[in-house]
Amino acid sequence: DGGITQSPKYLFRKEGQNVTLSCEQNLNHDAMYWYRQDPGQGLRLIYYSQIVNDFQKGDIAEGYSVSREKKESFPLTVTSAQKNPTAFYLCASSPPGQQVLNTEAFFGQGTRLTVV
Amino acid sequence: GQQVMQIPQYQHVQEGEDFTTYCNSSTTLSNIQWYKQRPGGHPVFLIQLVKSGEVKKQKRLTFQFGEAKKNSSLHITATQTTDVGTYFCAGSGTYKYIFGTGTRLKVLA
Repeated sequence: DGGITQSPKYLFRKEGQNVTLSCEQNLNHDAMYWYRQDPGQGLRLIYYSQIVNDFQKGDIAEGYSVSREKKESFPLTVTSAQKNPTAFYLCASSPPGQQVLNTEAFFGQGTRLTVV
Repeated sequence: GQQVMQIPQYQHVQEGEDFTTYCNSSTTLSNIQWYKQRPGGHPVFLIQLVKSGEVKKQKRLTFQFGEAKKNSSLHITATQTTDVGTYFCAGSGTYKYIFGTGTRLKVLA
C-alpha cells in the first residue's frame, strides 16, 4: 500500500538532546513538508522540500534542521536550540514540484514529541 | 507574508444543528483546499475549490469559494457526532500550502 509513514508515534527526549523524526513516503511524490501543531493550534510550516537535495525554511525553522538525500525520505532533527520542542509533528507530501499546488497534501500519522 | 485566518476558533453545537466555518486570506488565492483532522489524528483532504464563486457539495457538507478568491466557507447541515474534529482550510503559497488556524468542532449528543 502506498502511503507516508512517520516514526516513532511517541517520542520522549531529555532537555538538551537532539532528536530525529523519521518521515518516509512511497507515493513517488516530489514535494515534502514538515508542520508543527501545538494543542488547539493550527499547522505551522517548519521546512519544505520540492526536490531531492533542496529544501527551504518555513515560518518557524529556528531550532530545526532537515535533509533530503532521497526522494522518499525527509527526516527532521529537533535540536537543543529549539526552546519549546514539545508538540505534535506532522509530515506531508504532495506530487508536484510546481509553483501553484493544485493537488492535495497527504499526511503521515504524526509524531508526538515530549521533552522531559 | 501570506496569512490565512479562520473563524470561529471553536464551536460547540447540539447534534442536528448546522455549523459554518469561515476562511479568510490576506491575498488572492489560486485555489483553496479543506481538510478534516479527527481528535488525535492527522489532517485528511476533503475537497479543493479553484474557480471564483465555486460551490461544491459532499453530502451534508457545502463548500464555497468567494468571488474575489480571498475567502471560503464550509457549512455542515444537521451535524452528527462523526463530524467532530478540526477543520482546516489551506491556500497555495509559492511551492507550499498555507494552512488556516483551524476551527475545532464539538458536537453534543
